[in-house]
Amino acid sequence: QKEVEQDPGPLSVPEGAIVSLNCTYSNSAFQYFMWYRQYSRKGPELLMYTYSSGNKEDGRFTAQVDKSSKYISLFIRDSQPSDSATYLCAMGPGTGNQFYFGTGTSLTVIP
Amino acid sequence: KAGVTQTPRYLIKTRGQQVTLSCSPISGHRSVSWYQQTPGQGLQFLFEYFSETQRNKGNFPGRFSGRQFSNSRSEMNVSTLELGDSALYLCASRTTGVTNGYTFGSGTRLTVV
Repeated sequence: QKEVEQDPGPLSVPEGAIVSLNCTYSNSAFQYFMWYRQYSRKGPELLMYTYSSGNKEDGRFTAQVDKSSKYISLFIRDSQPSDSATYLCAMGPGTGNQFYFGTGTSLTVIP
Repeated sequence: KAGVTQTPRYLIKTRGQQVTLSCSPISGHRSVSWYQQTPGQGLQFLFEYFSETQRNKGNFPGRFSGRQFSNSRSEMNVSTLELGDSALYLCASRTTGVTNGYTFGSGTRLTVV
């Protein structure tokens, strides 16, 4: 079983839609949860960072962690074409202080 | 401050050849991780080095190897290249603190023909 599972998509939504991106994980010891955004031909960049359970909001982005269900989400409100990218979840630490990444979800926001 | 630098940006190799990719982490970052990214499999973890020692390893064959130097710079080597090795190879560095995220380079796009 993989440490982190993420639906690869692709996901295509109209501009202005609310987007929900999700990951599940198996290790209940994970305490730190991150979302990265990767534009085409670029490396991933850290978007949101959450410790333990709860919600964190940053502008149009909300990160949500439900440790009881081992489920994390990233919500994008009023999505824009500039949000078109691949989104990767990451969490840890696990064995050897390693952090584990999801495989990424490709999102396209259509004008 | 300078980001994570990966060289070269693009590479074309022939099946059976070997290739070495280079990564210079952010100054002060002692941990360097390598990932393979493809449209079909997404981001896959290769290995992580910390203070010149391999700390973690993913599920890749022995053809994939790496090393880290005393200045934290890292290299990744792939021997006996196969067509399926065509991918974007990403390097990421971080500090020793658990709470810090990874900083990625822009990657090396490897094409095997």
